[in-house]
Amino acid sequence: GENVEQHPSTLSVQEGDSAVIKCTYSDSASNYFPWYKQELGKGPQLIIDIRSNVGEKKDQRIAVTLNKTAKHFSLHITETQPEDSAVYFCAASNQAGTALIFGKGTTLSVSS
Amino acid sequence: SQTIHQWPATLVQPVGSPLSLECTVEGTSNPNLYWYRQAAGRGLQLLFYSVGIGQISSEVPQNLSASRPQDRQFILSSKKLLLSDSGFYLCAWSPLAGVDTGELFFGEGSRLTVL
Repeated sequence: GENVEQHPSTLSVQEGDSAVIKCTYSDSASNYFPWYKQELGKGPQLIIDIRSNVGEKKDQRIAVTLNKTAKHFSLHITETQPEDSAVYFCAASNQAGTALIFGKGTTLSVSS
Repeated sequence: SQTIHQWPATLVQPVGSPLSLECTVEGTSNPNLYWYRQAAGRGLQLLFYSVGIGQISSEVPQNLSASRPQDRQFILSSKKLLLSDSGFYLCAWSPLAGVDTGELFFGEGSRLTVL
């Protein structure tokens, strides 16, 4: 089945810097790659997603890139702010498109 | 609009006791339903998913089970809890056509501590 690896597990940046989180997946049949943000004590919420027919997608300070040949995708956050501090999860759809397989998460800390 | 409810929010149970976590979705029909567990250092682990009433797919062998007695109700159960069952359990739903047609919507989670 699908396996998703996520790095780094923790990331600390200064306010205004950029943050990059990287993920790899194993199943070449995966075609949907979302990113979720989880604040303390809450359920994860979708922040951006990308499908296999697109190489890059941007939404204000957040961007995601996908390399299907290499089976990896990345989240880029520019001009980080303290409110960006949270746990971020990448995910990939399973072959049937019926479930999401998540990475282990990255704890991002943005200090002012 | 659609909403997802999950309860109880917190639960402390002794080893060997039974478990029942309940999740309901409002404002949609025929959703895909999911149970995930979040344990320290292990991220979000998919436990069960269901594409319809009575249809349950298990992703990880364990002493937990899931049931879907109604279209918008998903229940996670155990007959005898283990210490390793402690964690943060998240219910989620997505449109019937599959997760790749839209986002996965999570509940607020149930924190289970087994002592």
